[in-house]
Amino acid sequence: NAGVTQTPKFRILKIGQSMTLQCAQDMNHNYMYWYRQDPGMGLKLIYYSVGAGITDKGEVPNGYNVSRSTTEDFPLRLELAAPSQTSVYFCASSYWGGEKLFFGSGTQLSVL
Amino acid sequence: AQTVTQSQPEMSVQEAETVTLSCTYDTSENNYYLFWYKQPPSRQMILVIRQEAYKQQNATENRFSVNFQKAAKSFSLKISDSQLGDTAMYFCAFALSNFGNEKLTFGTGTRLTIIP
Repeated sequence: NAGVTQTPKFRILKIGQSMTLQCAQDMNHNYMYWYRQDPGMGLKLIYYSVGAGITDKGEVPNGYNVSRSTTEDFPLRLELAAPSQTSVYFCASSYWGGEKLFFGSGTQLSVL
Repeated sequence: AQTVTQSQPEMSVQEAETVTLSCTYDTSENNYYLFWYKQPPSRQMILVIRQEAYKQQNATENRFSVNFQKAAKSFSLKISDSQLGDTAMYFCAFALSNFGNEKLTFGTGTRLTIIP
């Protein structure tokens, strides 16, 4: 089992560029999440999904978009990157909401 | 909105000693879940322990146990016989049990260092 796979692991963007962070899970989990972790801080929820075709905003959704066309994939789109989006991004999944989250290994993103 | 507070930014303890990490949360709901996650320098997030609010018995996992005080909205983590591999950031987290709304809210973390 691969678990939760995130790509890329590292990326440097210029201000104003756009990119998509990929996330895939092979555990048939219903719930998927995107978090960001700023240096020395906890994780803040960006977007989450409780199933294919269903997404909802978290605590810090501005500047991001998501889609969930399949159970397996939950990509995160950054439009017009800003320095404030410099962070480590984690994708996670679970079978349902109250269970253990399985995390990807994270994407270190720098916007310069 | 639910909030999670970890009031100890950093702690250190000698190897083999016991240490307790504090966590308080705020919610008006009665049914929810509480978690402790560990993040070592590798950055990987690892579940340490999970507690269901409707269960009065405190959860335990080997050397890790919690003191869950529902009325006080407190959820502390006790690590017994601490080991060097316990050095990590520890995050307390909260999730409601309402279907479709169980998103996890994290505290700001406690950096724990185990001293040889």
